[in-house]
Amino acid sequence: EVQLVESGGDLVQPGGSLRLSCAASGFTFSNYWMAWVRQTPGKGLEWVANIKQDGRDKNYVDSVKGRFSISRDNAENSLYLQMNRLTAEDTAVYYCARDVDGALDIWGQGTMVTVSS
Amino acid sequence: QSVLTQPPSASGTPGQRVTISCSGSSSNIGRHSVNWYQHLPGTAPKLVIYRNNQRASGVPDRFSGSKSGTSASLAISGLQSEDEADYYCAAWDDSLHGHVFGGGTKLTVL
Repeated sequence: EVQLVESGGDLVQPGGSLRLSCAASGFTFSNYWMAWVRQTPGKGLEWVANIKQDGRDKNYVDSVKGRFSISRDNAENSLYLQMNRLTAEDTAVYYCARDVDGALDIWGQGTMVTVSS
Repeated sequence: QSVLTQPPSASGTPGQRVTISCSGSSSNIGRHSVNWYQHLPGTAPKLVIYRNNQRASGVPDRFSGSKSGTSASLAISGLQSEDEADYYCAAWDDSLHGHVFGGGTKLTVL
């Protein structure tokens, strides 16, 4: 079964850091771009970042540039999102998704990140 | 304010046909394919339409997509109660060098 499972979401203080993980199974992870998307409470979906198959090409939404870093370990079939200098505006459910020519065809169930003092 | 503009809500009765619009610009919809997602609160979003008009695996043929210029639309015919969800359009944006989503449309089946 093709599956993505996120983990690492937590309550963190403003200015803190958090690392999200996404475990992939059921497909050849190294063949696909991967992405992170978030949904803030009561609002819509927002694309956060994506990463190429070999990890050398990465793109970010402007609001997280310089604070978040996307990475992957193809040997471990895992995707990561390192989040630094977190603010209340980063509070959201974070989803990882498989990216096929821009279409996000497989999604995880999401992990909740709450930034609050 | 989302880069792609969708109506905040849409509604229809069972069996009706509804359409949801998505308006963009030359830097996104005008140059790139549009994808549509269905999202029920508390669940993972689901791809329904990709490359403007291709149905994703398992999506019934009641769902269709189209694109013209800098706008796109999602149509759902034979509306069913299970179609009640939030729908989002999305596309790559050359100016932002990233994907952009519409603000989402909440579809209510009356």
